[in-house]
Amino acid sequence: KAGVTQTPRYLIKTRGQQVTLSCSPISGHRSVSWYQQTPGQGLQFLFEYFSETQRNKGNFPGRFSGRQFSNSRSEMNVSTLELGDSALYLCASSLASGSRDEQFFGPGTRLTVL
Amino acid sequence: KQEVTQIPAALSVPEGENLVLNCSFTDSAIYNLQWFRQDPGKGLTSLLLIQSSQREQTSGRLNASLDKSSGRSTLYIAASQPGDSATYLCAVSPGYSTLTFGKGTMLLVSP
Repeated sequence: KAGVTQTPRYLIKTRGQQVTLSCSPISGHRSVSWYQQTPGQGLQFLFEYFSETQRNKGNFPGRFSGRQFSNSRSEMNVSTLELGDSALYLCASSLASGSRDEQFFGPGTRLTVL
Repeated sequence: KQEVTQIPAALSVPEGENLVLNCSFTDSAIYNLQWFRQDPGKGLTSLLLIQSSQREQTSGRLNASLDKSSGRSTLYIAASQPGDSATYLCAVSPGYSTLTFGKGTMLLVSP
């Protein structure tokens, strides 16, 4: 079974631009979560989607948004990029099966904002 | 607000040693706890998941325990190998497929 895939793997943008990242979950997984990883803050939860609905949201500004499609693929968008948005963005998928809910992560998208 | 702490932040051991990584969390209302491994610049690889009703899980040379009441988990690695060198992350889930992570333990196993 194919794992979680993320595209693109690397991105370089300049301040003020916007960016869209894509995540394809493991087949059959209906939950997709997004995380930001930086050296200073570690891994921080952005938001989680289940059946095209955002169920949970972390403490990030409104510039960070996402959506999920009917095939469970998800996109994350960051508008008006800031230098501090440079990070590794990871997505994870799961069956959303309660306490047995194991999260599987993709390889990440490395975003650099200049 | 849930906080997860991992001790030590870094660990260096010679090959063959058994070692223990520690994880503590402040809110015991969790669905499960998951241990991950991350190689430099890569994504996370799931190692073990312990449901809130379980006390431990084993996979090969890895054994993870959970004491929910005291807010602690340990990851035991037996007979460490250079290929075990990576950052190990502990994460707890309050439900709804969200995770709160610790900052990780960077492990170096030297030949």
